[in-house]
Amino acid sequence: AQKVTQAQTEISVVEKEDVTLDCVYETRDTTYYLFWYKQPPSGELVFLIRRNSFDEQNEISGRYSWNFQKSTSSFNFTITASQVVDSAVYFCALSVGMNRDDKIIFGKGTRLHILP
Amino acid sequence: NAGVTQTPKFRILKIGQSMTLQCAQDMNHNYMYWYRQDPGMGLKLIYYSVGAGITDKGEVPNGYNVSRSTTEDFPLRLELAAPSQTSVYFCASSTDRGYGYTFGSGTRLTVV
Repeated sequence: AQKVTQAQTEISVVEKEDVTLDCVYETRDTTYYLFWYKQPPSGELVFLIRRNSFDEQNEISGRYSWNFQKSTSSFNFTITASQVVDSAVYFCALSVGMNRDDKIIFGKGTRLHILP
Repeated sequence: NAGVTQTPKFRILKIGQSMTLQCAQDMNHNYMYWYRQDPGMGLKLIYYSVGAGITDKGEVPNGYNVSRSTTEDFPLRLELAAPSQTSVYFCASSTDRGYGYTFGSGTRLTVV
């Protein structure tokens, strides 16, 4: 069975601090994709990153970085020098299955509060 | 580009009523999905479609129906609404497996 676990339900940090959001996934597939989505207070879901199972390179995009480690089945997300605008719920997600069975399974999300 | 358009944005239903949540995308995506989001529970897949004329059940399909007569539209039908269907519903589409979803802005449904 496939599963995504975001153990941190809620995190609060003071602005400018770094914060890491944890994501652990389970799948027996060798080919899969991992995602992070952001849901700000306005409610929409915003795609942040996609990573396939064959690419373990870490990625940095501005203040955002992602650490993918197959050995620990983790895909953690770090925000450096956090800002109030980063306050949102962040979802980690896993896509498995071949051909027509393309579904994304979401974790329960981590609510991030950035305090001014 | 409009992307994925959901209507209505808000709706209040009485128990036992029926309604259709509309979803349309203009990106020529083959894959379309309906998710519901309950507080603190993430998103759960209701139904999905990999192309016109093809639909499949997701994790929580009971109480819902879908159809996919065109590539663009993927309406979600609620029959005999129940309080347990109070949720935020998101429609999404994708061009192919692994490319991530484009989400609509959501429909907040309350059943009283």
